[in-house]
Amino acid sequence: DSGVTQTPKHLITATGQRVTLRCSPRSGDLSVYWYQQSLDQGLQFLIQYYNGEERAKGNILERFSAQQFPDLHSELNLSSLELGDSALYFCASSVVGQGEAFFGQGTRLTVV
Amino acid sequence: KNQVEQSPQSLIILEGKNCTLQCNYTVSPFSNLRWYKQDTGRGPVSLTIMTFSENTKSNGRYTATLDADTKQSSLHITASQLSDSASYICVVRGNNFNKFYFGSGTKLNVKP
Repeated sequence: DSGVTQTPKHLITATGQRVTLRCSPRSGDLSVYWYQQSLDQGLQFLIQYYNGEERAKGNILERFSAQQFPDLHSELNLSSLELGDSALYFCASSVVGQGEAFFGQGTRLTVV
Repeated sequence: KNQVEQSPQSLIILEGKNCTLQCNYTVSPFSNLRWYKQDTGRGPVSLTIMTFSENTKSNGRYTATLDADTKQSSLHITASQLSDSASYICVVRGNNFNKFYFGSGTKLNVKP
């Protein structure tokens, strides 16, 4: 158990809908990262937050947004969903100055 | 452009055999390099982490090497087991605030 909790584990929704994925980082970790992994693809960095502020942006679509709350949990919002958004979405957290990112078990999103 | 490239893309070996996975990177400045193991549908789990000054690090049957001069790393798996079947991902951390660069992974299949 990495200590990073993601909910829900699975999500099935229809095209055009909006969903929210939740991530609770390890206790004490200030940085949260979101990644998308499509079938048989590598991890694609979406966005990073540090202590509530956006730090870095990757290949995140305009239909996607994220935020990190004062209690350091983070949410990834996906809207106007398309079939191609079906993927595993991972959250990771790390301590500033440490080398390792700890990953959650992911949320599997299926858009039908 | 900061990049991490892994080879081979996929690999099939027989149980009990050894194998070596490669990772070349261009990330600069460089902070550290990690190898992760990702079972299908699960979050990546860290195997080893190496800083600039470390050349070799072992974790059981996994041995990672790093040549910071040539920007190359390898992961050697000894006496492979069926449970080693997974994707192995090389992740390089740059010195610019907590930014991680992911390779696309090597998919290892260990057959009986």
